[in-house]
Amino acid sequence: NAGVTQTPKFQVLKTGQSMTLQCAQDMNHEYMSWYRQDPGMGLRLIHYSVGAGITDQGEVPNGYNVSRSTTEDFPLRLLSAAPSQTSVYFCASSYNRDILAQYFGPGTRLTVT
Amino acid sequence: DAKTTQPTSMDCAEGRAANLPCNHSTISGNEYVYWYRQIHSQGPQYIIHGLKNNETNEMASLIITEDRKSSTLILPHATLRDTAVYYCIVCAPRGTDKLIFGTGTRLQVFP
Repeated sequence: NAGVTQTPKFQVLKTGQSMTLQCAQDMNHEYMSWYRQDPGMGLRLIHYSVGAGITDQGEVPNGYNVSRSTTEDFPLRLLSAAPSQTSVYFCASSYNRDILAQYFGPGTRLTVT
Repeated sequence: DAKTTQPTSMDCAEGRAANLPCNHSTISGNEYVYWYRQIHSQGPQYIIHGLKNNETNEMASLIITEDRKSSTLILPHATLRDTAVYYCIVCAPRGTDKLIFGTGTRLQVFP
């Protein structure tokens, strides 16, 4: 198993550009989530999904969209990037919503100029 | 709202046991205690979780007090590779459906 994979590893965007951060898992996990991590802020939950077709907001959802059309994939979309979205983004998955023993991906470092 | 309280930082000598405390005095009856760690620049790593009984796996032991208001993560023989930020999180199954990470405890293991 590859576990949780994220692409790209690094990305630089200009303000106003859009992009999609990709996340995939090959463990047939129901639950997937996106976090961002900023210096001194710890990890903050952006969006999560308890199964295909079901998504919900976390602590800091503004400026981000998600969808879950398959069990394996959970992309995170930035529609109009802002400098405040400069961060490290982590995707995670767990077997189901009952026990959140999550596997995390390696992260995507995003810079918005 | 912060549901857990952890010390900001701790030190531990290599080879000794590292005991990381966590206070969760408002924990509800169906909430689990989870521990994760994050080594610099890497994604967080799940360590262990428990409800009321003590738990042990290949990485660590989790001791939960009888009243469940606090817990301790024990790394029995700390190594330099255990230097990381350790997060204690409480969460109920199908409650909020999400883990909320606080700021954790920065554990420094020294030679």
